[in-house]
Amino acid sequence: GNSVTQMEGPVTLSEEAFLTINCTYTATGYPSLFWYVQYPGEGLQLLLKATKADDKGSNKGFEATYRKETTSFHLEKGSVQVSDSAVYFCALRGGSYIPTFGRGTSLIVHP
Amino acid sequence: SQTIHQWPATLVQPVGSPLSLECTVEGTSNPNLYWYRQAAGRGLQLLFYSVGIGQISSEVPQNLSASRPQDRQFILSSKKLLLSDSGFYLCAWRRQAGGSNEQYFGPGTRLTVT
Repeated sequence: GNSVTQMEGPVTLSEEAFLTINCTYTATGYPSLFWYVQYPGEGLQLLLKATKADDKGSNKGFEATYRKETTSFHLEKGSVQVSDSAVYFCALRGGSYIPTFGRGTSLIVHP
Repeated sequence: SQTIHQWPATLVQPVGSPLSLECTVEGTSNPNLYWYRQAAGRGLQLLFYSVGIGQISSEVPQNLSASRPQDRQFILSSKKLLLSDSGFYLCAWRRQAGGSNEQYFGPGTRLTVT
């Protein structure tokens, strides 16, 4: 079946540091890939997505590239802010009704 | 535009009491609907999903149930709550066909069973 593996957190950074959160997946065919963000006490929001190999999703300074050869979709941001502190979920959707989520990675950004 | 509502936002219930959480979606028709739970840690556990009125699929055995009495209404229920039912409950929807295939989440309900 499908699976998503994210790096363990929490990830703790200082403001303006570079961020990478690793995500790798296992799936048959050509799934769509997503990053969601969850701020404290809220539901998940779609951050970015990519639907085919070599696509780059981007939003709010975050980027992730769909790498089929390495089955990865790592999230990056060049300069994080305190307001980026949240939990980040990598997810995929193949041909079924049910998306597959990673366990989430908590990001803590200090001033 | 589409919106998704959940209520109540927070709930404190004693063990053994019943539960009813409601989720409604506006601005779309015939969505796929989902109930998730986040307990203690951050991970999402899929509880139920529905592809149409009266069609419910359960992902895990438990004392919870779900119903979809109307196209855009999804209800999570329990006859007798357990302490282990405490958590953050999230409803989500997704378009059945066409367009992008991401999910859209509601604001969640924080349930504390005492």
